[in-house]
Amino acid sequence: NAGVTQTPKFQVLKTGQSMTLQCAQDMNHEYMSWYRQDPGMGLRLIHYSVGAGITDQGEVPNGYNVSRSTTEDFPLRLLSAAPSQTSVYFCASSPKTGPLNTEAFFGQGTRLTVV
Amino acid sequence: SQKIEQNSEALNIQEGKTATLTCNYTNYSPAYLQWYRQDPGRGPVFLLLIRENEKEKRKERLKVTFDTTLKQSLFHITASQPADSATYLCALLPGGSQGNLIFGKGTKLSVKP
Repeated sequence: NAGVTQTPKFQVLKTGQSMTLQCAQDMNHEYMSWYRQDPGMGLRLIHYSVGAGITDQGEVPNGYNVSRSTTEDFPLRLLSAAPSQTSVYFCASSPKTGPLNTEAFFGQGTRLTVV
Repeated sequence: SQKIEQNSEALNIQEGKTATLTCNYTNYSPAYLQWYRQDPGRGPVFLLLIRENEKEKRKERLKVTFDTTLKQSLFHITASQPADSATYLCALLPGGSQGNLIFGKGTKLSVKP
């Protein structure tokens, strides 16, 4: 049981480049989300999904797109990378939505640097 | 404004003592609070969940309390060990949310031998 798998682990981008951070879970979880973690800021929600075909914005969605075509996969796209998007990105999944949830399972993170 | 705060950025204690970490929130009505452990370079790992109608939860050496009047959760590690050294995050699920956890900034715990 792999849990939540994120790729790549490290990435360096030039300003203006685009890329996709991959996230896959093999636990048949309904809820998936993307967070970014910056020093002194804590984890902040970028986008989330409550099921295949359903996505919505979190606290800091600007500059990012997501899609959820299957239950397993929830990729995060950076449209035109900016230095302000330098951060550590975490994908997480939870079995259910809302208060029925018990815990979030996190991936190992992607450390992104935009130069 | 809505806030969730972990009072200490860092906490240093001696092995064998009890570590107590604090999480306060304002202008939320949480459905529940969670505590996570995060080691350097790793993703957070779930430890405990306590619901709004619960006062206390225990798991081995861990204990969490939840006071909705004070709007505060306390996280205790008894008989602390150097292996407990990590950053601990509290997170709340606002009432009515679909699952969007709100995280505190974390407290870095160091347990010295």
